[in-house]
Amino acid sequence: GDSVTQMEGPVTLSEEAFLTINCTYTATGYPSLFWYVQYPGEGLQLLLKATKADDKGSNKGFEATYRKETTSFHLEKGSVQVSDSAVYFCALILTGGGNKLTFGTGTQLKVEL
Amino acid sequence: EAGVAQSPRYKIIEKRQSVAFWCNPISGHATLYWYQQILGQGPKLLIQFQNNGVVDDSQLPKDRFSAERLKGVDSTLKIQPAKLEDSAVYLCASTGVTYEQYFGPGTRLTVT
Repeated sequence: GDSVTQMEGPVTLSEEAFLTINCTYTATGYPSLFWYVQYPGEGLQLLLKATKADDKGSNKGFEATYRKETTSFHLEKGSVQVSDSAVYFCALILTGGGNKLTFGTGTQLKVEL
Repeated sequence: EAGVAQSPRYKIIEKRQSVAFWCNPISGHATLYWYQQILGQGPKLLIQFQNNGVVDDSQLPKDRFSAERLKGVDSTLKIQPAKLEDSAVYLCASTGVTYEQYFGPGTRLTVT
């Protein structure tokens, strides 16, 4: 079945450090890929998305590129802030799959001063 | 635009008791989803409604979980009787004309 694999956390970084959170997927069709963020005590928010190979999604300094050849969608940010501390979820939707989101297990990011 | 509303935010019950959660989606959103998020895991879809009809309930434990969306607007998810393993955050989401899902803040259920 379809699945998403993320690197385990927690990831702890100092402010202004470079962030990479790895995400790979397995899908029978051609998925759209997403990163969601969950701040403490809040619901999930869509951070960025990409709908086809080589698309780059970007938002709030975060970016991720849809790599079909490596089935990956790694999240990156050049300089993290304390306010970026949250749990990040990679997810996919299959085209024609009824809009069903399949999530990874989430990666907790802690950014320290 | 108001977001997805859920209540209660927190609930503590004993095993074998029943509990109900309520969700009001964004106005005009036809599709509504209930997810279960167990600590340390990603959300798992329990049930998807399109208006007041069920699209996908393949992962809903139907012996104890039920959900309805009678008028195609708000929805209720019920657990009866609850088990310890039902402790989780229950998330509601909705979509309109695009496939972007908007999530509510969730209900954190603790079963003791």
